[in-house]
Amino acid sequence: GQSLEQPSEVTAVEGAIVQINCTYQTSGFYGLSWYQQHDGGAPTFLSYNALDGLEETGRFSSFLSRSDSYGYLLLQELQMKDSASYFCAVSLIKAAGNKLTFGGGTRVLVKP
Amino acid sequence: DVKVTQSSRYLVKRTGEKVFLECVQDMDHENMFWYRQDPGLGLRLIYFSYDVKMKEKGDIPEGYSVSREKKERFSLILESASTNQTSMYLCASLGPYEQYFGPGTRLTVT
Repeated sequence: GQSLEQPSEVTAVEGAIVQINCTYQTSGFYGLSWYQQHDGGAPTFLSYNALDGLEETGRFSSFLSRSDSYGYLLLQELQMKDSASYFCAVSLIKAAGNKLTFGGGTRVLVKP
Repeated sequence: DVKVTQSSRYLVKRTGEKVFLECVQDMDHENMFWYRQDPGLGLRLIYFSYDVKMKEKGDIPEGYSVSREKKERFSLILESASTNQTSMYLCASLGPYEQYFGPGTRLTVT
């Protein structure tokens, strides 16, 4: 079976840095994606890592270690609008973003 | 901008009813997906389609079927709705790197 583990909830203050870890055990692996979902909204894509290393997109960065079956999403300079749920997801088919298995999500609460 | 639309935001059905959830995307994407989302369980894949009339089961297909007669439209069918199918249903289509999600349909089966 497939399993992805990520913390259920994280609380931090504005301006802080938050790291959301994701460990996975899947029968196939072609890449790790991260999605953001605000309450009542649809998930939206944040990043995709197919190779080991760090990908940086503005305040958000994502890291992957294939040998450790581990990745993380780093949120820097936290803002109130970053309060949302964040999901890691593994691509099981060799095409970015295809046939994803999602983790249970991490709810991030940003306090003033 | 890619647009994925779903036929209803909220739906209330009775146990045993046949339920149709419709999803339309406007970007000529080949791959489309149906998920259900429940608290603490993330998004679970019900079915996906990689071409017209082509479909594949996801992780939780029991109690569901799908139809893809046209490229832009992917329908999820609950043949006989049950209370344990009360959930948020999300449709998505696949772009170059990511999935684009619709706004979701919150289905309540009473």
